Amino acid sequence: DSGVTQTPKHLITATGQRVTLRCSPRSGDLSVYWYQQSLDQGLQFLIQYYNGEERAKGNILERFSAQQFPDLHSELNLSSLELGDSALYFCASSGQVPDTQYFGPGTRLTVL
Amino acid sequence: AQSVTQLDSQVPVFEEAPVELRCNYSSSVSVYLFWYVQYPNQGLQLLLKYLSGSTLVKGINGFEAEFNKSQTSFHLRKPSVHISDTAEYFCAVTGAGNTGKLIFGQGTTLQVKP
Repeated sequence: DSGVTQTPKHLITATGQRVTLRCSPRSGDLSVYWYQQSLDQGLQFLIQYYNGEERAKGNILERFSAQQFPDLHSELNLSSLELGDSALYFCASSGQVPDTQYFGPGTRLTVL
Repeated sequence: AQSVTQLDSQVPVFEEAPVELRCNYSSSVSVYLFWYVQYPNQGLQLLLKYLSGSTLVKGINGFEAEFNKSQTSFHLRKPSVHISDTAEYFCAVTGAGNTGKLIFGQGTTLQVKP
């Protein structure tokens, strides 16, 4: 158990819908990262927050957004969903930046 | 910017044999390097990391890796594998001075046969 929690574990939805994925970092970690894992793209960095502020952006679509709240949990919002958004979404957290990232169990999103 | 190449997509090996999973990276700055393992239907678990210091790093489950700056490599080794080591292995890099975002290789599937 890494100490990083993600909910829900599975999410099945339809095209055009909007979903929210939630992540709670390890106790004391200020930095949260979101990654997407798909068969064709592999593991790709989406976005990073540090103590409530956006720190870095990767290959994140404009339809996707995220935020980190004062209690340090983070949410990834995916809207106008397409079939190609089906993937495993991971959250990771770290204390220092850069440093070891500890990953949550992931949320598997299926868009039908 | 950094990039990672895992040279083998699949590595089949018999139980109790040694194994090496190869990883090469590219970076214009100093790097931190990681190996993660992903078991079926699970998240990523840290195997080992190189941040600084000794170039030979030991991790969990008997794995070790050697950082070779001149060859820009960070190969993962285990002297004797078990069936339970069957999994996907990812090499990842981040620049020592940047935000910490990880760049991952495409992964290597280790298949341990009895």
